[in-house]
Amino acid sequence: AQTVTQSQPEMSVQEAETVTLSCTYDTSESDYYLFWYKQPPSRQMILVIRQEAYKQQNATENRFSVNFQKAAKSFSLKISDSQLGDAAMYFCAYRRGQGGSEKLVFGKGMKLTVNP
Amino acid sequence: NAGVTQTPKFRILKIGQSMTLQCTQDMNHNYMYWYRQDPGMGLKLIYYSVGAGITDKGEVPNGYNVSRSTTEDFPLRLELAAPSQTSVYFCASRETGVANEQFFGPGTRLTVL
Repeated sequence: AQTVTQSQPEMSVQEAETVTLSCTYDTSESDYYLFWYKQPPSRQMILVIRQEAYKQQNATENRFSVNFQKAAKSFSLKISDSQLGDAAMYFCAYRRGQGGSEKLVFGKGMKLTVNP
Repeated sequence: NAGVTQTPKFRILKIGQSMTLQCTQDMNHNYMYWYRQDPGMGLKLIYYSVGAGITDKGEVPNGYNVSRSTTEDFPLRLELAAPSQTSVYFCASRETGVANEQFFGPGTRLTVL
């Protein structure tokens, strides 16, 4: 079974600085997708960034980028120029590729605090 | 587009009561999902559907039932509520196509006392 591990339950960062959130996963599949979701206090789950396992290039979305290390099964999220609105729970998630179960497997999450 | 909507937002049930959590999406997505999120944990899949009339169990289906009579609606039924079902419930949907993201509803906070 696939598992996703977020080993840091909480982190804090100063506004305008950079922070990296770590995630590791375990799978025997070669075709899969990885996601970072943000959950602010409103509870809404918001997709931050997505990485396809077959792509070697790391995904980037504005201030958000990932460091995808397939061999190490590591998928970290870097937030640059942190803003107060980035404060939230962040979840790493995994999904098998074609022909697999349709479910997302989530880590336990990490609470990010942004200090002004 | 309203996206994925869920009702109610909050509910308190007594042990043994039943209720239905409603989920509707207006994006014509074939795939729909129900997750639960327990305190301090990530989301776990309860049931999912790949189209009208087709449903399948996820990771934690016990104590729940679903139906999918239309593309838009995917209600989750709790029979004989138990304190262990106290959680936040999220509905999600996505387009066909394995790379497509899931869109989540705002969640329903359920407490069973």
